[in-house]
Amino acid sequence: GENVEQHPSTLSVQEGDSAVIKCTYSDSASNYFPWYKQELGKRPQLIIDIRSNVGEKKDQRIAVTLNKTAKHFSLHITETQPEDSAVYFCAASRSGGGADGLTFGKGTHLIIQP
Amino acid sequence: ETGVTQSPTHLIKTRGQQVTLRCSSQSGHNTVSWYQQALGQGPQFIFQYYREEENGRGNFPPRFSGLQFPNYSSELNVNALELDDSALYLCASSLGSQDEQYFGPGTRLTVT
Repeated sequence: GENVEQHPSTLSVQEGDSAVIKCTYSDSASNYFPWYKQELGKRPQLIIDIRSNVGEKKDQRIAVTLNKTAKHFSLHITETQPEDSAVYFCAASRSGGGADGLTFGKGTHLIIQP
Repeated sequence: ETGVTQSPTHLIKTRGQQVTLRCSSQSGHNTVSWYQQALGQGPQFIFQYYREEENGRGNFPPRFSGLQFPNYSSELNVNALELDDSALYLCASSLGSQDEQYFGPGTRLTVT
């Protein structure tokens, strides 16, 4: 089955700086890659996703890049703000999030230092 | 916030007991996926229901079972509870089986 590795496990950046979180996946048939943000005690919140027919997607301060050849994808957050502090999870699926579900990484705890 | 709701919020059960968790999907969504999230880990896929049929299943034993109703709400049943079943159980609803998944707030299950 799919295996998703996520790095780093903890990332501390100064407010206003950029943060990058990286994930690798094992199944070359995976075609859907969402990112979720989970604040303490709250539900995972979908923040951005990308499908395998594009290499990059951007939404305001958040962008995701996908390299299918290398089987890795990354989350980029620019101009970080205190409210960006949370745990971020990447995930992958070969069925667009369908029958095989989403396989998640172990998460990155992002800390924004004031 | 999504329109996905779950009940109950918290639950404490004894090893060997059975439990039923409930999920109401967002309006217009016909697919519900269930995940188990252990403390400090990412969610793990249990199964997905699409239009009242099980559409796929992760690596969980048969004592984890589910249902989806005609209004697309769903139940997760766990029999013969074990201590390792203690976790946050999340459901996610989506417009279709291959669409974006939106999570509910979860049910925190503690097995003693």
